[in-house]
Amino acid sequence: GIQVEQSPPDLILQEGANSTLRCNFSDSVNNLQWFHQNPWGQLINLFYIPSGTKQNGRLSATTVATERYSLLYISSSQTTDSGVYFCAVAPYNFNKFYFGSGTKLNVKP
Amino acid sequence: NAGVMQNPRHLVRRRGQEARLRCSPMKGHSHVYWYRQLPEEGLKFMVYLQKENIIDESGMPKERFSAEFPKEGPSILRIQQVVRGDSAAYFCASSPGAAVDTGELFFGEGSRLTVL
Repeated sequence: GIQVEQSPPDLILQEGANSTLRCNFSDSVNNLQWFHQNPWGQLINLFYIPSGTKQNGRLSATTVATERYSLLYISSSQTTDSGVYFCAVAPYNFNKFYFGSGTKLNVKP
Repeated sequence: NAGVMQNPRHLVRRRGQEARLRCSPMKGHSHVYWYRQLPEEGLKFMVYLQKENIIDESGMPKERFSAEFPKEGPSILRIQQVVRGDSAAYFCASSPGAAVDTGELFFGEGSRLTVL
């Protein structure tokens, strides 16, 4: 199956700092999403972004499908941004999503 | 528009008992996925269903685990004769379309199974 690698695995930030999370995948994909799992375990949709760039408030994402990676940018981080960020991809001809291992973010006040 | 509803949120079973987890997809969604998450790990695919059909069960153990999505009612993930290694969070996601199309996943809040 496809390999999905996320980096960094852990990240500690001071409130107000910016960060970039990366998701690399080993094969062409038809579908890509970013999720935030908050400390209570809920999985929240951030972006549906198989290609291109999207922005939502302090968050933005870019997927370069031809080079098999996606980036999630968090600006002016807040303590509520803490949690685990997952990238999930659906390869062509596969009717399922593969998740990366996540980036665990801790934003300190 | 209600989101994906999972119940129970927490379930405690003794070894050898059965666990039954339910998932009602978002309105208008006919595609359901089940994922398992062990503590401090990512989500692992178990099974993909459409109404009355199992499309892909390649991630589900062959023994003790079964899933269904009947014409009426929620999707059910059933674990028979549970063992301690089954303790995990089980997440259901629904989608308006298949992953190979433009189906976007929406997750429920998960069911946390603890096996004593």
